[in-house]
Amino acid sequence: KNEVEQSPQNLTAQEGEFITINCSYSVGISALHWLQQHPGGGIVSLFMLSSGKKKHGRLIATINIQEKHSSLHITASHPRDSAVYICAVFGSQGNLIFGKGTKLSVKP
Amino acid sequence: DSGVTQTPKHLITATGQRVTLRCSPRSGDLSVYWYQQSLDQGLQFLIQYYNGEERAKGNILERFSAQQFPDLHSELNLSSLELGDSALYFCASGGTSGGAGADTQYFGPGTRLTVL
Repeated sequence: KNEVEQSPQNLTAQEGEFITINCSYSVGISALHWLQQHPGGGIVSLFMLSSGKKKHGRLIATINIQEKHSSLHITASHPRDSAVYICAVFGSQGNLIFGKGTKLSVKP
Repeated sequence: DSGVTQTPKHLITATGQRVTLRCSPRSGDLSVYWYQQSLDQGLQFLIQYYNGEERAKGNILERFSAQQFPDLHSELNLSSLELGDSALYFCASGGTSGGAGADTQYFGPGTRLTVL
């Protein structure tokens, strides 16, 4: 079993829909990162969380440390949101452990 | 533009060879992280340097090594290359805390390595 599990693996949505991507982890962590990888390959850090909730524009990230679960929400999705979203946790060994990513496609 | 630069963008080489990938962090960032992204393994953390010293180690092979220089740029050396080393290699830089969990990371554009 992977230490970081994301669901779904693939997601297709219509423009304007509310989207949720989930991340569950099995190790103790001090922080969790959400990353976005564009079709061209570039990676952007969206959020870094250790507790609670963060919001940036149409993106919201939440984390529940007790349940070892985080969610990334996208409100009013747009085709430019099409990308791979990757969850990564910072473990006790000082290393980052990545999920396999969720490929999102938003259709106009 | 993240402010992190990586050279070269593309590298094609043969099995058994040695290559060096270079990364310049954002101005003011003290940490450099190296990652490997292959089709079958996804993103994997290799190693982190903070202000010239190794801070954390991930799944880095013994054939690979890295260092961070006094001007804070970093190099990742890959030797005795195998076909399976073909991947995208990213570096990222972070701020002053020294811990990957505490820093927002800014990713470079990556170096695509092809081993033939």
